[in-house]
Amino acid sequence: EIVMTQSPATLSVSPGERATLSCRASQSVSSNLAWYQQKPGQAPRLLIYGASTRATGIPARFSGSGSGTEFTLTISSLQSEDFAVYYCQQYKNWPPLTFGGGTKVEIK
Amino acid sequence: EVQVVQSGAEVKKPGESLKISCKGSGYSFTNYWIGWVRQMPGKGLEWMGIIYLGDSDTRYSPSLQGQVTISADKSIGTAYLQWSSLKASDTAMYYCARLGRLHDAFDIWGQGTLVTVSS
Repeated sequence: EIVMTQSPATLSVSPGERATLSCRASQSVSSNLAWYQQKPGQAPRLLIYGASTRATGIPARFSGSGSGTEFTLTISSLQSEDFAVYYCQQYKNWPPLTFGGGTKVEIK
Repeated sequence: EVQVVQSGAEVKKPGESLKISCKGSGYSFTNYWIGWVRQMPGKGLEWMGIIYLGDSDTRYSPSLQGQVTISADKSIGTAYLQWSSLKASDTAMYYCARLGRLHDAFDIWGQGTLVTVSS
């Protein structure tokens, strides 16, 4: 099973600032990596797939990078609606499909 | 509109059985996998298993196999998650989600079904 590790667990950022979230895989997943956003009381939403491709309707301020075992989600200028929990997920080898533990982006 | 819609919240007692549903619409559901994801209170996302609506090919998380049953009725585009004997530790929000065709990420999510198991 591929283990996904996200850091930090919590990220405190001021509106308008840049946020950088990390995700590490226990073995290479190539570019088979997705990012999701989950707001309180809502279902997750797909942001990024293929490590760097934005899903339909996702603003350009969200970008993904990386391959192999190290990945980054960057939010270039945080808006109020971006404060949420973010999860990475690998889909290189499944089952199981595995998620990281999440990073909570909170208002500083 | 492409969507998956889940059945409503459930309150059950330990030992009871339960079957919740997830119905797809707005797309050719027999060409897609539908997965189930558990989120325990205050915790992260945990993949439980997945089923291909076209032929009911089913895969389970090794940690959950035997504890739940995933099934589907392709004639109505609906996937199911079933328990034969609930435990208090099954209390969670359960999401179904569609796996994309071009990638194996979950591109369409249901609204979630809250299952509460309490005596």
